[in-house]
Amino acid sequence: SAVISQKPSRDICQRGTSLTIQCQVDSQVTMMFWYRQQPGQSLTLIATANQGSEATYESGFVIDKFPISRPNLTFSTLTVSNMSPEDSSIYLCSDLTGGLGNEQFFGPGTRLTVL
Amino acid sequence: RKEVEQDPGPFNVPEGATVAFNCTYSNSASQSFFWYRQDCRKEPKLLMSVYSSGNEDGRFTAQLNRASQYISLLIRDSKLSDSATYLCVVNPGQGGTYKYIFGTGTRLKVLA
Repeated sequence: SAVISQKPSRDICQRGTSLTIQCQVDSQVTMMFWYRQQPGQSLTLIATANQGSEATYESGFVIDKFPISRPNLTFSTLTVSNMSPEDSSIYLCSDLTGGLGNEQFFGPGTRLTVL
Repeated sequence: RKEVEQDPGPFNVPEGATVAFNCTYSNSASQSFFWYRQDCRKEPKLLMSVYSSGNEDGRFTAQLNRASQYISLLIRDSKLSDSATYLCVVNPGQGGTYKYIFGTGTRLKVLA
C-alpha cells in the first residue's frame, strides 16, 4: 500500500479561523477521501477528492465549510473554514488501492482542537 | 436503524481466550466488507477484507452471512497486543462509489 502522510499532525486554533490540512501519498492513487472522527465516535466520510474536478461531498458537508483541492494524483488538501469548537475532531485522509477488494488505507490523521 | 451496527463492548477477555465480534448491516446490496483495527489515538489499519467464502489470516477468521446481513470476526488465542477497537466497515458499492460506512467499533481488552 502507498504511504500516506498528513500535515499538521495536530493544531490548536481559535474560533473563526481556518486551517488547511495536507495529505501526501508516495505514489499515484486513483481516489482520495477525507474523513472526520469526532471524539469517542467512528469515522464519517466528508468527501471524495477528485483529481482535476470539484470534490464530491456527503450529506451534511458543504464546500464552503470544507473546501478541498486535489491538484494531482498524489496530493490533496482539506480546509476547515470559520472554525467553531464543534469542529474539534481528528481529520483523516485515505486512498483507494484499486485492488479487488477496494481497500482504503489511512493517513495518521490531524488532531484539531478549536478553542 | 443504523447502516452498520456493532456492539461497542468493551469485551474484556483473558490472554489465550477466543473472542468473536458480530456486525450487522442494513443495505442488502452492499458489495464489500472489511474489518479495521484502531489503536488509541491512531489511524484505522486494515485487518482483513471479508470475502463471501470466509477467510482466515493466522489467528483471525472473518465470515460473511449475506442472508442475515452480518459479518463476524473471530480472534483465537488472544494476545495482549490484540487490545484495540475493531471497526466493521461496509462499502455499499452502488453507483460506482467507494464510500465506506463505519460501525462505531467494538473495544477489546485482553487481560494478562
